Amino acid sequence: SQQGEEDPQALSIQEGENATMNCSYKTSINNLQWYRQNSGRGLVHLILIRSNEREKHSGRLRVTLDTSKKSSSLLITASRAADTASYFCATDLNTGGFKTIFGAGTRLFVKA
Amino acid sequence: KAGVTQTPRYLIKTRGQQVTLSCSPISGHRSVSWYQQTPGQGLQFLFEYFSETQRNKGNFPGRFSGRQFSNSRSEMNVSTLELGDSALYLCASSRVAGEGETQYFGPGTRLLVL
Repeated sequence: SQQGEEDPQALSIQEGENATMNCSYKTSINNLQWYRQNSGRGLVHLILIRSNEREKHSGRLRVTLDTSKKSSSLLITASRAADTASYFCATDLNTGGFKTIFGAGTRLFVKA
Repeated sequence: KAGVTQTPRYLIKTRGQQVTLSCSPISGHRSVSWYQQTPGQGLQFLFEYFSETQRNKGNFPGRFSGRQFSNSRSEMNVSTLELGDSALYLCASSRVAGEGETQYFGPGTRLLVL
């Protein structure tokens, strides 16, 4: 099973509203990353949060991390139609090599 | 700086054939990872290469293989294709191999197996 699981699977909101997506993971991590994917294209890195950080901001993005609950959330404020995409959390498994595990993703649809 | 490029972008094959996909990382990046994305299984890690060495491998059968060249370009090969191999294959590069390294993704190769 995957390390990260997103919730909800899909989210539909109006432009201007905030969108919150959650991610849970199973094992201890040193950092967690969020990526965005537009309709069947490559992923774009959004933000990284380290295990000793609780919150991080980048523009309209706010990420929180709760290592005691093994969960993270991504908040997009004042959403725009261009934010319509799938959002994935990703964690690294240190197995002697570099192995990134992605969650199932949240499909966000922002209606204009 | 040019991004990660993948060729071909689209491919149609029939069962039993083999296929080779190519990935050119961002200049200066030495780590290349491959992922398979399907609607049912999501994004799954295939393998990761660093300095021409496979450092990590996902849970895929031996039909899936890869390699990395001295210029960091990478190829992955799938032999004896099955219908279930139809997917978007994504390549990602990063400067080095390590936790927390940002990966830069290519646009992917969409493979359809008939």
